[in-house]
Amino acid sequence: NAGVMQNPRHLVRRRGQEARLRCSPMKGHSHVYWYRQLPEEGLKFMVYLQKENIIDESGMPKERFSAEFPKEGPSILRIQQVVRGDSAAYFCASSPRGGPNEKLFFGSGTQLSVL
Amino acid sequence: GDSVTQMEGPVTLSEEAFLTINCTYTATGYPSLFWYVQYPGEGLQLLLKATKADDKGSNKGFEATYRKETTSFHLEKGSVQVSDSAVYFCALSVSGGGADGLTFGKGTHLIIQP
Repeated sequence: NAGVMQNPRHLVRRRGQEARLRCSPMKGHSHVYWYRQLPEEGLKFMVYLQKENIIDESGMPKERFSAEFPKEGPSILRIQQVVRGDSAAYFCASSPRGGPNEKLFFGSGTQLSVL
Repeated sequence: GDSVTQMEGPVTLSEEAFLTINCTYTATGYPSLFWYVQYPGEGLQLLLKATKADDKGSNKGFEATYRKETTSFHLEKGSVQVSDSAVYFCALSVSGGGADGLTFGKGTHLIIQP
């Protein structure tokens, strides 16, 4: 059973370009979480999705960031018009169910570098 | 808001030394507490957890006890190995807090020298 797969591992973008980060949850998992780790910071919750629904996006910046988890295919975190401050490691996690005690399985992350 | 504070790293120890990584928290509600570990080049993995006061989580020789009176969840191991070198994250999740994203500390980089 493959783990949570994120791609690409490293993504380089110039300011103003778009970044698309992909996350395939573990088989059987319908809950996906995205976290961002800025340099010298802990992971910060961004968004929680179930299939085709955004459950909680309280950690998402109000502009330029969006996330989806379609019925078929991976979850996508999209950052439009990237700026240098978006440079960070973006981690995806999945779980079979939601809730505060549910174990999350993390991917290896995508390191976004904005030039 | 909810927050987790853990000791700054890097922490460098010799093999077989005793390890303590301090973690304290502030939370609304009644949190569950976690330690996650990130080995080089890998994603975070759940190491142990505790869901109520005085619970002790344990795994792979690591232990942490949920201390409500001191709002702490310190990670300990009696004899560390080189293979324990990793980044350790303390985290909390508030019971009944909706979508329940975890709140993480900044991480503590542990380096074990042979």
